[in-house]
Amino acid sequence: QVQLKESGPGLVQPSQTLSLTCTVSGFSLTSNSVHWVRQPPGKGLEWVGAIWSGGSTDYNSALKSRLSISRDTSKSQVFLKMNSLQTEDTAIYFCTRVRPWFDYWGQGVMVTVSS
Amino acid sequence: DIQMTQSPASLSASLEEIVTITCQASQDIGNWLSWYQQKPGKSPQLLIYGATSLADGVPSRFSGSRSGTQYSLKISRLQVEDIGIYYCLQAYSAPWTFGGGTKLELK
Repeated sequence: QVQLKESGPGLVQPSQTLSLTCTVSGFSLTSNSVHWVRQPPGKGLEWVGAIWSGGSTDYNSALKSRLSISRDTSKSQVFLKMNSLQTEDTAIYFCTRVRPWFDYWGQGVMVTVSS
Repeated sequence: DIQMTQSPASLSASLEEIVTITCQASQDIGNWLSWYQQKPGKSPQLLIYGATSLADGVPSRFSGSRSGTQYSLKISRLQVEDIGIYYCLQAYSAPWTFGGGTKLELK
């Protein structure tokens, strides 16, 4: 069955780099796109970025300069890297499959940016 | 970037009542609009895709419609399990954008 699972550090210091991994099962990354969505505590959903089935990427305009999304298809993993973290980046980060709607989501990983 | 203006931000309704939530797109997005429901502590769940198509397993009391660049989600007879936060999402062009969300509560 289709599953996505996010993993990464729960706490990151300001100005440091966030690295998250989304490990998927039940589908191929070469046939499906995976996006990242985040949700600050008590706030709405924010689209972060995407890696398409062909390997190209798109990013949130406000995060573009700090963000990189990549993948390892052999390991069925998608990676998110965001540098120069600020307290406003504190959020639950979700990965989600697109077909072409968000049909399956991971459970999310809480990331807190704090010293 | 395409802006999605969702209204109302919050809504209080009674059981069995009809509920309507709308999203206004800042430009034409065709039918590239989906709706999601999120319950506390949970990941969002797909309700409607392609503006009007019901996702698998979603009760038929949910429906979606489109009028130009305005999109609506309707719950025909509100049930207790429908309480949560609802979001629209445009997938017409990157960057994709969500509406601000509608918090639906029981009156």
